[in-house]
Amino acid sequence: QKEVEQNSGPLSVPEGAIASLNCTYSDRGSQSFFWYRQYSGKSPELIMFIYSNGDKEDGRFTAQLNKASQYVSLLIRDSQPSDSATYLCAVNLFKASGTYKYIFGTGTRLKVLA
Amino acid sequence: GAVVSQHPSWVICKSGTSVKIECRSLDFQATTMFWYRQFPKQSLMLMATSNEGSKATYEQGVEKDKFLINHASLTLSTLTVTSAHPEDSSFYICSARRTSGRVNEQFFGPGTRLTVL
Repeated sequence: QKEVEQNSGPLSVPEGAIASLNCTYSDRGSQSFFWYRQYSGKSPELIMFIYSNGDKEDGRFTAQLNKASQYVSLLIRDSQPSDSATYLCAVNLFKASGTYKYIFGTGTRLKVLA
Repeated sequence: GAVVSQHPSWVICKSGTSVKIECRSLDFQATTMFWYRQFPKQSLMLMATSNEGSKATYEQGVEKDKFLINHASLTLSTLTVTSAHPEDSSFYICSARRTSGRVNEQFFGPGTRLTVL
């Protein structure tokens, strides 16, 4: 089982709809969770992070975390064609050695259709 | 968010030469920076973790003598690809870690596209 799993997509949604991106993780020691957006040929850009169970909203984006089920999701409301990109889920966990480790999923490609 | 810069944004070099890529955190201090490589249509691959004032930690399969990392200050880490070959052509991306309360955020530089002829 991969440490962080995402459906590769593409996930296609019509303009104006809600896009729902999901991510599951295997290590229950994971502490904080991040969503990045990466346009083709560009580096990842941090959208938001979450570390407490529940929802966290930032503009059109809502991150949802359920530690019991070990999943984190990102909702994009009123999807726009400019949201078309690959969305990376990342998990930060604290290792016994005293170091932090980031683990990235392989990303979900989102296509918003005009 | 925080700003991380990379230089150069792209470089073309001949096989056998060395290339140095700089990564700077512009508005915060970063004791830890990361170096990634990404091939077309593939996911990010962590190469190494760069710690200020100490040796970098390399991921399995990454040659430390080929990819030299120096993190001499709290705002600068460099990656030198030594004796580059065409198979080293890739998109190299650095990131810097910023601690905000209980969360360690990671901010990415814009990347450096390396082409080895």
